[in-house]
Amino acid sequence: AQSVTQPDIHITVSEGASLELRCNYSYGATPYLFWYVQSPGQGLQLLLKYFSGDTLVQGIKGFEAEFKRSQSSFNLRKPSVHWSDAAEYFCAVGSYNTDKLIFGTGTRLQVFP
Amino acid sequence: DTEVTQTPKHLVMGMTNKKSLKCEQHMGHRAMYWYKQKAKKPPELMFVYSYEKLSINESVPSRFSPECPNSSLLNLHLHALQPEDSALYLCASIPQTGGSYNEQFFGPGTRLTVL
Repeated sequence: AQSVTQPDIHITVSEGASLELRCNYSYGATPYLFWYVQSPGQGLQLLLKYFSGDTLVQGIKGFEAEFKRSQSSFNLRKPSVHWSDAAEYFCAVGSYNTDKLIFGTGTRLQVFP
Repeated sequence: DTEVTQTPKHLVMGMTNKKSLKCEQHMGHRAMYWYKQKAKKPPELMFVYSYEKLSINESVPSRFSPECPNSSLLNLHLHALQPEDSALYLCASIPQTGGSYNEQFFGPGTRLTVL
C-alpha cells in the first residue's frame, strides 16, 4: 500500500535561512509526487510535482524538490525563507491507477524575523 | 477562471439541522472531490465524482450526502451531524480522471461547526 511519511511535525527557521522539509514515500512502482502548501484556514496550493524525467523539480515561490528513488524521498527545499512561507506543508503521492492522493501528516513551518 | 469557489465560508449548525455546502468550478474539469480536514491533520478523502457520477465513496456516514447536478457544481448535503463532524470541508477538482498525475485545484474550504 502507498504511504507517505513526513518525519518533522514542526520546523522553525529564521527568515533568510535555508529550508529542507523531508518526505519519504512507500510505493512499489514509480510514484507521482506532490508538495502542497496550506495557509491557516485556506485550501491547498500546489508548489510542485514530479512524474518522471529530471529528478530536480522547480516549483512556485522559489521552492524546489529532489526525487531520490534509492532513498524513497522527495524533499522540499528553499535557499532563503521569507516570513510569508510560514504555513503547513503536505507531501502527497499518487499513481497511474487511482484518482486518489495519499497525503503525509504535514509539517508546520514557523518563520522568525 | 482558474479557481474553485466554495460557499459558505463558515457554517454553524445544530445537530438537527439540514444544510448544504456548495462547490463550483468553471475550468471544464471533469472530476471533483470532497475532503474533510480536522485541525493539524491532512485532508481525508470523502467522495470523488467523475463525469458527474460518484466514483469513490470512502465509507462516509450517510449523514453526508453528495450531489453533482452538473459538471461545474458539487454539493454536500448535511443532516443530523455530530459535533465531531466539525472540520474544514475542502472541495477540489482535476481536469480528468484516469490516474492521479493531475494537479488537484482546491477551494478555500467551508469551516463547519456543529453544536
